[in-house]
Amino acid sequence: GENVEQHPSTLSVQEGDSAVIKCTYSDSASNYFPWYKQELGKRPQLIIDIRSNVGEKKDQRIAVTLNKTAKHFSLHITETQPEDSAVYFCAASWNTGFQKLVFGTGTRLLVSP
Amino acid sequence: EAQVTQNPRYLITVTGKKLTVTCSQNMNHEYMSWYRQDPGLGLRQIYYSMNVEVTDKGDVPEGYKVSRKEKRNFPLILESPSPNQTSLYFCASTSAGSDEQYFGPGTRLTVT
Repeated sequence: GENVEQHPSTLSVQEGDSAVIKCTYSDSASNYFPWYKQELGKRPQLIIDIRSNVGEKKDQRIAVTLNKTAKHFSLHITETQPEDSAVYFCAASWNTGFQKLVFGTGTRLLVSP
Repeated sequence: EAQVTQNPRYLITVTGKKLTVTCSQNMNHEYMSWYRQDPGLGLRQIYYSMNVEVTDKGDVPEGYKVSRKEKRNFPLILESPSPNQTSLYFCASTSAGSDEQYFGPGTRLTVT
């Protein structure tokens, strides 16, 4: 089955710096790669996703890149703000009529003012 | 308001005492899932359902049961809870043709 590894497990940056979180997946059939943000005590929420036919996607300060050959994808956050502090989860899935997500283990991002 | 609800939000119980965590969504979503979240392990899928009366095992189904008798509800049943089922549980729903999973607020379960 699919296995997703996520690094680093914790990441501390200063406000205004960039943050990068990386994930690798094992199943070359995976074709959908979302990123979820979970604030303390809250539920995970989708912040950005990418499909296997796209190499990069941006949404304001966040972007995701995908390297299918190497089977890894990354989340990039620019101009970080304290409200970006949260746990971020990557996931991978393949479409079998239902996107069966396999999540990474999470990255705790701390943005210091 | 479109939402996924779970009850109870917090539960402390003892080993072997059957319990049910309810999940309900008002978005007419076809797909629903249960996940457990444990430190250092991320979110792991327990069971999922693609429609009424259609359920399947996820990655960690042992010790759990589910049912989908109505489209809006997807209860998680622990017939004989054990301490290793102490965890934070999330229900999620997805519309067919979409990929975004909408998560409920979570249920923190402690089994002593």
